[in-house]
Amino acid sequence: EVQLVESGGGLVQPGRSLRLSCAASGFIFDDYAMHWVRQVPGKGLEWVSGISWNSGSIGYVDSVKGRFTISRDNAKNSLYLQMNSLRAEDTALYYCAKDQRITMTEHMDVWGKGTTVTVSS
Amino acid sequence: QSVLTQPPSASGTPGQRVTISCSGSSSNIGSNTVNWYQQLPGAAPKFLIYSNDQRPSGVPDRFSGSKSGTSASLAISGLQSEDEADYYCAAWDDSLNGPVFGGGTKLTVL
Repeated sequence: EVQLVESGGGLVQPGRSLRLSCAASGFIFDDYAMHWVRQVPGKGLEWVSGISWNSGSIGYVDSVKGRFTISRDNAKNSLYLQMNSLRAEDTALYYCAKDQRITMTEHMDVWGKGTTVTVSS
Repeated sequence: QSVLTQPPSASGTPGQRVTISCSGSSSNIGSNTVNWYQQLPGAAPKFLIYSNDQRPSGVPDRFSGSKSGTSASLAISGLQSEDEADYYCAAWDDSLNGPVFGGGTKLTVL
């Protein structure tokens, strides 16, 4: 069964850091690009960051550029999101999503259940 | 404010056909394909339609998609109570160099 399991969320003060992880199973991880997508409760979906199969292509939404870093470890079938200088507006449910393709596209065919990040003092 | 524009709500009765629109621009829908995602209450989004009109395996043929110019539509025929969910369109944006989503449409089955 194809599965994505996120972890690492929690309550953090503004300006602090948090690292999210996504453990993948049931598919050949290094055959696909991966993404992080977030959703404020009661609001819509927002793409945060994506990474190609070999980390050769990486992208971020403007609001997190310079603060968030996406990475992957194909040997460990894992995706990461290092989040620094966190702000209240980063509070959201963060989903890990598998791309249908080897490079980043909008074709996210498998999603995890998400991990909640709350930025508050 | 989302890059792609969707109506915030839609509704229909069981058995009816409903459509949800998604409007974009030349940098996204106008030059790239459109996907649709279904998010049931309390659940993660589900891949519903890709490349404008393709259904992943397991998605009923009651769901169909189309695109024309800088707009796209999702149609649901034979509406069922379990179709009550939020629906999001998405497309790659060449200017932003990443995927963009619509604001979502909450579908209510009356």
